[in-house]
Amino acid sequence: GAGVSQTPSNKVTEKGKYVELRCDPISGHTALYWYRQSLGQGPEFLIYFQGTGAADDSGLPNDRFFAVRPEGSVSTLKIQRTERGDSAVYLCASSRPGARDGYTFGSGTRLTVV
Amino acid sequence: QKEVEQDPGPLSVPEGAIVSLNCTYSNSAFQYFMWYRQYSRKGPELLMYTYSSGNKEDGRFTAQVDKSSKYISLFIRDSQPSDSATYLCAMSGGSNYKLTFGKGTLLTVNP
Repeated sequence: GAGVSQTPSNKVTEKGKYVELRCDPISGHTALYWYRQSLGQGPEFLIYFQGTGAADDSGLPNDRFFAVRPEGSVSTLKIQRTERGDSAVYLCASSRPGARDGYTFGSGTRLTVV
Repeated sequence: QKEVEQDPGPLSVPEGAIVSLNCTYSNSAFQYFMWYRQYSRKGPELLMYTYSSGNKEDGRFTAQVDKSSKYISLFIRDSQPSDSATYLCAMSGGSNYKLTFGKGTLLTVNP
């Protein structure tokens, strides 16, 4: 596609529920990133995929968070037992292999845990 | 102390003004420096990208990096109401895949 697509754009869930957030990167972009942006803050790194494998998941806050990219394209960020503190905008970005000029972000999924 | 410090503002200027935005950082390993613009309820959009120290100009935008002072700046000339957004500085080390962002500065350009 022309840009990075994230669905849903908004998600409201109850505390304790499980959610999945989807990212469809730009075609041909083998690198994919997830970031989390809390209100009034800059985005914070969560995980980086190169192809199908997670090359760096050091930013995932705890084991309730998990992400997959089984075919090297679409990625899903999964959050178990959601907590109110998980409320944030989850941003996905993608880039060409070896790109050194920044990456392209999607519009994000705004997650609200009530 | 956070790795990247950025004054969140808000900053309000009249149309046509020169805007100066800046960030300081503490990690000497940072080599790649970026400025992103983020409109409300949108993802960050890359504005400027600079490697190491120096200046880079693109239209009304100029990015400056001073690695000796660990200080980066973005200047916007002839600011327009459409420039109203949050401006985020971001930087990375040699691997270049993990960006560390500032908090962002909210800019409003008044017509």
